[in-house]
Amino acid sequence: EAQVTQNPRYLITVTGKKLTVTCSQNMNHEYMSWYRQDPGLGLRQIYYSMNVEVTDKGDVPEGYKVSRKEKRNFPLILESPSPNQTSLYFCASSLGGEQFFGPGTRLTVL
Amino acid sequence: RKEVEQDPGPFNVPEGATVAFNCTYSNSASQSFFWYRQDCRKEPKLLMSVYSSGNEDGRFTAQLNRASQYISLLIRDSKLSDSATYLCVVFRMDSSYKLIFGSGTRLLVRP
Repeated sequence: EAQVTQNPRYLITVTGKKLTVTCSQNMNHEYMSWYRQDPGLGLRQIYYSMNVEVTDKGDVPEGYKVSRKEKRNFPLILESPSPNQTSLYFCASSLGGEQFFGPGTRLTVL
Repeated sequence: RKEVEQDPGPFNVPEGATVAFNCTYSNSASQSFFWYRQDCRKEPKLLMSVYSSGNEDGRFTAQLNRASQYISLLIRDSKLSDSATYLCVVFRMDSSYKLIFGSGTRLLVRP
């Protein structure tokens, strides 16, 4: 089954404790991206990657890092999470304009 | 001003009603357009692409007006299962390669 998976689905952590949210797709898509979704603000792009070892900042990259060492994986790293990074995070991969989203990760930073 | 703007709603309509949503975009470099559907706390899923000539998929009709820079979605004969948030999405490829999402319009279809 073609899909995008994310882990963990839910995470509660404390300020400053480094965390990684994994994202994996099995569709051989070159383009992958990370979004956060907040009430009233919609989906905002954090980082995207056009291919292996090619990443670029989206609209809200501050406080986040990504890597793309393999085509299928695109982890999101929060080196020192802060409460304003509490949000719902979606990973997506795409072929052309259609994006396939993962199920989301609900992150709470205390 | 947001690059893609939508009325947040909610639009509260009875079953069987026809409802229309509009969306405006500000960047003329926008190349492709889509409507996505998002159910509460779930991931967005592609509903339909929007073509310049307009296109229809069952009860759903999408229109694009490049001159006025707006996109519309018409839903006929609304079903309870149509209750969701509808996201207007614009794809542009200039110095970047990205999808820009509107904040969404919430639709509630009541019995």
